[in-house]
Amino acid sequence: EAQLVESGGGLVQPGGSLRLSCAASEFTFITSSMTWVRQAPEKGLEWVSSISDSGRTYYADSVQGRFTTSRDNSNNMVYLQMSSVRVEDTAIYYCARERSSGLEPWGQGTLVTVSS
Amino acid sequence: DIQMTQSPSTLSASVGDRVTVLCRASQSISTWLAWYQQQPGKAPKLLIYKASSLESGVPSRFSGSGSGTEFTLTISSLQPDDFATYYCQQYNTYPYTFGQGTKLEIK
Repeated sequence: EAQLVESGGGLVQPGGSLRLSCAASEFTFITSSMTWVRQAPEKGLEWVSSISDSGRTYYADSVQGRFTTSRDNSNNMVYLQMSSVRVEDTAIYYCARERSSGLEPWGQGTLVTVSS
Repeated sequence: DIQMTQSPSTLSASVGDRVTVLCRASQSISTWLAWYQQQPGKAPKLLIYKASSLESGVPSRFSGSGSGTEFTLTISSLQPDDFATYYCQQYNTYPYTFGQGTKLEIK
């Protein structure tokens, strides 16, 4: 069964940096596009970024220029490098496999808290 | 960007009821629409893709319809496990966007 596991969340000060990781298993990662979605406390889902199988990246306006998505096909990993973080970036960050049939599976999420 | 608007925001219903959630897109997305269910404290789960295709393993009481700008999610006979929050998502064009969610509550 396809599985995703995120890690790297934690407490970071405003203006700081953090790198989230997502480990993929039990599916053909190299041909899969991957997506990051976040959910602020008690709020809805917000698409953050996607990376295609060829490495092309897409970003929400809210994170453009501050966040960078990358992938390591040798180790079935996808990363979200977060820089110049803001209080409003506080959220649970999920990674998900992107298919023509939607986002599935999703990881369990990793919590990022931006606070001084 | 394509805006997705769900209604209602909250829906109160009883076990056995038939319920429908509406999702509207600000421009045509053909059938590039998915529905997700999220239980409290859990990751979202894919229910419906391509507007009307049922994801493997999802009970047949869930169904989706629509194309263009108007879409619906219907649950034919509510079960206790169905009380959760539901989101639509367009994946026609980046940036992908979600509706604001519909919380299904027990009446």
